[in-house]
Amino acid sequence: GQNIDQPTEMTATEGAIVQINCTYQTSGFNGLFWYQQHAGEAPTFLSYNVLDGLEEKGRFSSFLSRSKGYSYLLLKELQMKDSASYFCAVNDYKLSFGAGTTVTVRA
Amino acid sequence: GAVVSQHPSWVICKSGTSVKIECRSLDFQATTMFWYRQFPKQSLMLMATSNEGSKATYEQGVEKDKFLINHASLTLSTLTVTSAHPEDSSFYICSARDRDIEAFFGQGTRLTVV
Repeated sequence: GQNIDQPTEMTATEGAIVQINCTYQTSGFNGLFWYQQHAGEAPTFLSYNVLDGLEEKGRFSSFLSRSKGYSYLLLKELQMKDSASYFCAVNDYKLSFGAGTTVTVRA
Repeated sequence: GAVVSQHPSWVICKSGTSVKIECRSLDFQATTMFWYRQFPKQSLMLMATSNEGSKATYEQGVEKDKFLINHASLTLSTLTVTSAHPEDSSFYICSARDRDIEAFFGQGTRLTVV
């Protein structure tokens, strides 16, 4: 089966940095996604990692270590609008989602 | 990114009736489409995977006779919730895959059964 773990909640201050960790144990692996979801809306794509290393996209970066079954999403220069749920999802023909991390950004 | 359009965005129906939700890939051909259900403050749970022209593959615990999926073309998949009951009220989201890389999500459909 698929086992994907990420923290339930994180709180940070506006302008700060937050790192959301994700560990996974899956039967197959063809990349890992990070999605952002605001309440009442569908998930939006943030990043995709299939090779080890860091992918940077503006204020958001994602890291992958396949040998460790580990990824993280780094959110820099936090803004109030970054308050949302963040999901890591492992791609093995179909996407398997973690339970999600609710990030609250405080002024 | 590619665009996936899901319709309707929200629907209220009476218990016992059926509801059809459409998912369209607007600018690419989706060989595979996925249907998810999400309850409040929970993760997305995969219901079924559909490939164009073949029967959908349902996840364990999902009733195939209740959640009918049709993937008649490379740009359209439909989910029909048959004989809906209040416990079927949820947020239903489709996603479409372009080859084997990104999965793009529709806007989601909020179903309320009264």
